[in-house]
Amino acid sequence: QSALTQPASVSGSPGQSITISCTGTSSDVGSYNLVSWYQQHPGKAPKLMIYEGSKRPSGVSNRFSGSKSGNTASLTISGLQAEDEADYYCCSYAGSSFVVFGGGTKLTVL
Amino acid sequence: QVQLVQSGAEVKKPGASVKVSCKASGYTFTSYGISWVRQAPGQGLEWMGWISAYNGNTNYAQKLQGRVTMTTDTSTSTAYMELRSLRSDDTAVYYCARAGGGALPLNWGQGTLVTVSS
Repeated sequence: QSALTQPASVSGSPGQSITISCTGTSSDVGSYNLVSWYQQHPGKAPKLMIYEGSKRPSGVSNRFSGSKSGNTASLTISGLQAEDEADYYCCSYAGSSFVVFGGGTKLTVL
Repeated sequence: QVQLVQSGAEVKKPGASVKVSCKASGYTFTSYGISWVRQAPGQGLEWMGWISAYNGNTNYAQKLQGRVTMTTDTSTSTAYMELRSLRSDDTAVYYCARAGGGALPLNWGQGTLVTVSS
């Protein structure tokens, strides 16, 4: 299984919106509505932000939203805040109990 | 609340084995699987495999097949990941996670640093 493709970095100013893309194939992202997004601050464990493509766990801000079109999933963060600065990873089910991660995107809040 | 508490840091020599534990609480252990994910220094997340806590079924990433074994002990709600024939590029933080649909991680443990060095 090949890794999902994410941009290496994105940036935005406080209050702005940004979108991080996650491109897979018809064998993973395109076949299942099982895409998750994780936020990871330096030295910390990842935190689930979005699951099953667009669902937010309890306690996650509604500034975070997920969507999918074809083989590409997206994470949008609106109203950027300083504490959103972190690494973000997408993850997709790839069939037969296999999972594949994206390479990660570093978000910088200017 | 869901918690996964992992064992402490390990230092191993090349060729040795390591076994990391992950004790779960706050949910019915056998109702979810456990996924294991590792992260080499400065690198991204790498899925290692998944085990069903219900029946012990496993699925391992192809690159680790033959070197990794995942098990569970339902009497103590603990999952284990053993990696054998360690190499320097196995140096990483190893995470366990409660797995939801599609074996995707939900709640994560705090991570266990495994250092492989001669």
